Amino acid sequence: NAGVTQTPKFQVLKTGQSMTLQCAQDMNHNSMYWYRQDPGMGLRLIYYSASEGTTDKGEVPNGYNVSRLNKREFSLRLESAAPSQTSVYFCASIWGTNTGELFFGEGSRLTVL
Amino acid sequence: DAKTTQPNSMESNEEEPVHLPCNHSTISGTDYIHWYRQLPSQGPEYVIHGLTSNVNNRMASLAIAEDRKSSTLILHRATLRDAAVYYCILLYGNKLVFGAGTILRVKS
Repeated sequence: NAGVTQTPKFQVLKTGQSMTLQCAQDMNHNSMYWYRQDPGMGLRLIYYSASEGTTDKGEVPNGYNVSRLNKREFSLRLESAAPSQTSVYFCASIWGTNTGELFFGEGSRLTVL
Repeated sequence: DAKTTQPNSMESNEEEPVHLPCNHSTISGTDYIHWYRQLPSQGPEYVIHGLTSNVNNRMASLAIAEDRKSSTLILHRATLRDAAVYYCILLYGNKLVFGAGTILRVKS
């Protein structure tokens, strides 16, 4: 099993450019999450999807959009990248939040110049 | 969202036990207590979870207070590889919010 797969692992953007971070899980999990982690800081929730077809805002949603394309895939889009969005982005998934283990991808390191 | 409170940092000697505390005074009856850790330059990884009873696995033990308002992650013999940020979070519902965690430093 691949678990949670994120692409790309590294990306450099110029201010104002757009890009999409892709996330896919092969564990038949219901819920998926996008977090960002700035240097020396904890994880902050950007958006989450409790189930296929639903998405909700987390702690820091401004500047991002998400799509839960199907049960496996949850993408994060930056429409107009800003230097403040330079961060490491983690995707995670869980089967059921009342008992399950949260599985994380390896992270995507984004630099916005 | 139910909140958790952890010390910013703790230090331990190698091969000694470590007790990492977490307060969650607003926990509800159905919230599961989960612990994750994040090694340097890696994504978080699951450590252990529980609801009411103490739990053991190959990595650690979780001691949950009788009133469930606090819990303690126990590493029985800390190694240098256990140096990480440890996060205590409550899982119920779909909005999973991490706190700042506890930085554990292990001295040789």
